[in-house]
Amino acid sequence: DAGVIQSPRHEVTEMGQEVTLRCKPISGHNSLFWYRQTMMRGLELLIYFNNNVPIDDSGMPEDRFSAKMPNASFSTLKIQPSEPRDSAVYFCASSPPNRGVTEAFFGQGTRLTVV
Amino acid sequence: AQSVAQPEDQVNVAEGNPLTVKCTYSVSGNPYLFWYVQYPNRGLQFLLKYITGDNLVKGSYGFEAEFNKSQTSFHLKKPSALVSDSALYFCAVRDPRDSNYQLIWGAGTKLIIKP
Repeated sequence: DAGVIQSPRHEVTEMGQEVTLRCKPISGHNSLFWYRQTMMRGLELLIYFNNNVPIDDSGMPEDRFSAKMPNASFSTLKIQPSEPRDSAVYFCASSPPNRGVTEAFFGQGTRLTVV
Repeated sequence: AQSVAQPEDQVNVAEGNPLTVKCTYSVSGNPYLFWYVQYPNRGLQFLLKYITGDNLVKGSYGFEAEFNKSQTSFHLKKPSALVSDSALYFCAVRDPRDSNYQLIWGAGTKLIIKP
C-alpha cells in the first residue's frame, strides 16, 4: 500500500489566491483527518471525517477554510482567500474502522507558503 | 478537560545512553495511548501504543513505553540512544468512550542525540 498520499508536497502562493490541498487516504480506511502544524501552535486538528461525513470541524480556523470528502478515496482542503498566516504544513491522516484501537496513518504533508 | 502534557520541549542525550521522553495525560477511565515520531520534513510515523494488557509495550526502532495508571503517565524509553533517533516525538491519547475516537495530542518533544 502506498500509504496516505498528499499533493502537492509544496505550494507557494500569493496572498488572496485560492489554495487546494488534496489527500488520498489508505484504501479501506473510513476516518480521515486534516491537521495543521506550525511552530507556534504545534499540531492542530482542523476537521475529521467518518465515512465521508464531516463529524467535527470545530478546528477549522475561519470561513476561509473548507474541506470536502466526495468519496472514500479523496478529500480536499481549500483556503480561499489565502493569507500569510495560513503558512504551515498541512497533514492528512486516515485510520481504519475498528473503534479507535488502531493508530492513524499520516501523509507526508503539504508545506504551504503564502507570500 | 482532557489533555496530554509533554513537559519537556527538548531532551538532549548522548549517543549510547538511555533516553526517556515524558508524557502525562488527563483522561478519565482507561485511555488508549500512542507515541509517534516525526523526522524533519516528514509526516508523523506511529511508534507504539497501549490499549490493554501488559503495561510495558514495545514498538518500532527499539522503543518501549510503560503505562502507569496511578501516575497517568506513558513515558517513552530506549535503552541505548542512536544519533538517528533525533526527531520530534508526540504523545497522543484517545478516550474509548468518545464515539468519534479522536486523538488528543501533546505539544511534542524534540529529542537530540549527540554523538
